[in-house]
Amino acid sequence: EVQLVESGGGLVKPGGSLRLSCAASGFSFTSYSMTWVRQAPGKGLEWVSSISDSSTYIYYADSVKGRFTISRDNAKNSLYLQMNSLRAEDTAVYYCARVKEAAAFDYWGQGTLVTVSS
Amino acid sequence: QSVLTQPPSASGTPGQRVTISCSGSSSNIGSNTVNWYQQLPGTAPKLLIYTNNQRPSGVPDRFSGSKSGTSASLAISGLQSEDEADYYCAAWDDSLNGVVFGGGTKLTVL
Repeated sequence: EVQLVESGGGLVKPGGSLRLSCAASGFSFTSYSMTWVRQAPGKGLEWVSSISDSSTYIYYADSVKGRFTISRDNAKNSLYLQMNSLRAEDTAVYYCARVKEAAAFDYWGQGTLVTVSS
Repeated sequence: QSVLTQPPSASGTPGQRVTISCSGSSSNIGSNTVNWYQQLPGTAPKLLIYTNNQRPSGVPDRFSGSKSGTSASLAISGLQSEDEADYYCAAWDDSLNGVVFGGGTKLTVL
């Protein structure tokens, strides 16, 4: 059974940093690109970043470019999102998901809440 | 303002057929495939349709997708109360070099 479990969310002050993790199991992690998608409270889905299976290709939304860094450790079956210079507008539930193809994400985690507030 | 445009709401009665539209441009829907997600209240999104009209295993054939030019549609036939959810379209955008989502459509089953 495919499982994706996010962790690392919490309350952080504006300008602060946070590192999210996503532990994957139940599939060959090294064979799939992975992605982060966020959802602000009461709002729609917003794609954040994607990384290819061997980390060769990395993409970011303009809203996080230069502040967030996506990475993965295939030996640990884990996906990460390093978030720096956090802003109030980064407050959201962050989901990690497996990429089936381009914009098709076939398995999602339960999400982890990031709150940026003073 | 989302890159892909969806109606904010839709509704229907049990058994009816409803459609949800998704409008984009040549850099996203016009040149890439469209995917649809269902998000039930308080849960993570679920892939409902991929590659314009393909259903993942386990998704009922009441759900269907189509694409024409720079627009796409999700159709739900035989509407059921459990279909009440938010629905999102998504596609890769060649100009932005990233994934774009629609703003979401809240479906109410009357």
